[in-house]
Amino acid sequence: AQKVTQAQTEISVVEKEDVTLDCVYETRDTTYYLFWYKQPPSGELVFLIRRNSFDEQNEISGRYSWNFQKSTSSFNFTITASQVVDSAVYFCALNTPTGGSNYKLTFGKGTLLTVNP
Amino acid sequence: SAVISQKPSRDICQRGTSLTIQCQVDSQVTMMFWYRQQPGQSLTLIATANQGSEATYESGFVIDKFPISRPNLTFSTLTVSNMSPEDSSIYLCSVVRLTDTQYFGPGTRLTVL
Repeated sequence: AQKVTQAQTEISVVEKEDVTLDCVYETRDTTYYLFWYKQPPSGELVFLIRRNSFDEQNEISGRYSWNFQKSTSSFNFTITASQVVDSAVYFCALNTPTGGSNYKLTFGKGTLLTVNP
Repeated sequence: SAVISQKPSRDICQRGTSLTIQCQVDSQVTMMFWYRQQPGQSLTLIATANQGSEATYESGFVIDKFPISRPNLTFSTLTVSNMSPEDSSIYLCSVVRLTDTQYFGPGTRLTVL
């Protein structure tokens, strides 16, 4: 069975601080995909990144960076110099393309990030 | 990515009634899904909307309660039937585009009184 754990329920930081959101996943499959989504108060789910299990390179996109470590089954997300607009719920998700549910996403419970001015 | 719209964006309904939510995509997609997000919770997959055949439901969800239509490759509807307050949630549709990534619609906020 697949499982995604986001141990941090809520995080509160002051603007310009760096913040890391943790994500730990469980799967027995060797081929899988990891995702991060952002859900602002409006409710829409915004895609941030997709990572496959064979690519452990870290990725940086502007103020966002992701650290994928298979050895610890983690896919952590860091926001550098946080801004108020980063306030949202962030979801980590896992997809294992097996059987008839090739695209089924298993979501973590989400981390509510509040960036205070 | 994909441009996905949902109607209505929000609604307040009475217990025992039904609501149909529409999901429209700007181009043809093969895979389309419906999710539920209960207040303060994560997302749970309801079903896969299959074009030309019956939807594939996840454990805990049944067709009588959540009938789904998928008449073509750009459109789907989800009906929440015989609603109770426990059905109050955000309902989101999603599609798979390129790189096997799911993109989500803006969601429909449903409140059942």
